[in-house]
Amino acid sequence: NAGVTQTPKFRVLKTGQSMTLLCAQDMNHEYMYWYRQDPGMGLRLIHYSVGEGTTAKGEVPDGYNVSRLKKQNFLLGLESAAPSQTSVYFCASNYGNRGSYNSPLHFGNGTRLTVT
Amino acid sequence: SQKIEQNSEALNIQEGKTATLTCNYTNYSPAYLQWYRQDPGRGPVFLLLIRENEKEKRKERLKVTFDTTLKQSLFHITASQPADSATYLCALGGYGGSQGNLIFGKGTKLSVKP
Repeated sequence: NAGVTQTPKFRVLKTGQSMTLLCAQDMNHEYMYWYRQDPGMGLRLIHYSVGEGTTAKGEVPDGYNVSRLKKQNFLLGLESAAPSQTSVYFCASNYGNRGSYNSPLHFGNGTRLTVT
Repeated sequence: SQKIEQNSEALNIQEGKTATLTCNYTNYSPAYLQWYRQDPGRGPVFLLLIRENEKEKRKERLKVTFDTTLKQSLFHITASQPADSATYLCALGGYGGSQGNLIFGKGTKLSVKP
């Protein structure tokens, strides 16, 4: 099993350009997430999905859109990139609710995005 | 607003000693807490989960405690090794399994010197 796979690993964009980050998981997880990680800020949730065809906003959703057309894939789009979106982006997945707690997250190895 | 703090950005210890990392939180009543390890250039990897009604969890050389009165979790690595060097993240989860409620600390970078 590959687990959670993110593409690309690195990308440089100019301000105003758009791009899509791809995330694929082969663990049959119901829930998927997109986080960004910045120095001194920790991981912050951008958007998440609790199942195929569903999406929801996280803590920092502005400037991003997502789609979950297939259970195994979760796409993160930047419509018009800004320097403030320079960050490392992590995709994660899990089985979701397990009684009173969420099952542990499985993370990909990230996409390092620089916006100039 | 909810706040989660990990005791320090960096912790340096000698091989063989016990490393103790702290996670404190305010304005929050978590249902559970998770600890992750993150190596440079990699995504976090899950280590341990402890629920609010559990005082302690162990896994090999790892031990986690959870004190909801002190609003604190301690993460211990006994007989530490250079291979334990990494950044350790704590994350809090809320009631009802809401997907949006997992809050991550900024992490503590542990360095174990031979």
